Amino acid sequence: QSALTQPASVSGSPGQSITISCTGTSSDVGGYNYVSWYQQHPGKAPKLMIYDVANRPSGVSNRFSGSKSGNTASLTISGLQAEDEADYYCSSYTSSDTWVFGGGTKLTVL
Amino acid sequence: QITLKESGPTLVTPTQTLTLTCSFSGFSLNTGGVGVGWIRQPPGKALEWLALIYWNDDERYRPSLKSRLAITKDPSKNQVVLTMTNMDPVDTATYYCSHIPPGFCSPSTCYTPYYFDYWGQGSLVTVSS
Repeated sequence: QSALTQPASVSGSPGQSITISCTGTSSDVGGYNYVSWYQQHPGKAPKLMIYDVANRPSGVSNRFSGSKSGNTASLTISGLQAEDEADYYCSSYTSSDTWVFGGGTKLTVL
Repeated sequence: QITLKESGPTLVTPTQTLTLTCSFSGFSLNTGGVGVGWIRQPPGKALEWLALIYWNDDERYRPSLKSRLAITKDPSKNQVVLTMTNMDPVDTATYYCSHIPPGFCSPSTCYTPYYFDYWGQGSLVTVSS
């Protein structure tokens, strides 16, 4: 069960848009529309931002959006704000009836 | 309002067995489709899914750790317990418990969630002699 592949870091200026990729296999990301994304600020618990590839929980800003193509899912944050600076993790359900997380991406708002 | 809170030892010695308790409120593990999972995070590293138990006692485990893990539930106490045997310093991490919401069925299909919508604050466990 290998971790999903994410870039270690991404950065952007306030107001810009950034995209974080999450690459898996046909046994996880590519095989199911069960990709979720979590935001984690330092010392805090993860927070669900996107579920089932592209759905936002109630209360999450519409600046956050998700998509998927083949074995790669993506999280896009538009209108970047200072408060978006955090670590982001993707997760997928797998064909083994288990879950796998990505290695995490540190977002820096310049 | 759903809340979860992890409790257990902050320090364990190598080879010991770790027992962590997740105490929750705002939902019932007697509700069809509900699940409670455990995820850990070594200091400065990524999240790692460990185990999950559903309302119907269906258990899932991380394959590489399956021989060391056991997850149980006590709906009457609103608790889920994770035990991990033969602890090693590499198991030093913050351990989180989390909630999977119930699914639902329409006349034509059923939907099962596979995401964690609520998380506890986490419990740091250090393994050291």
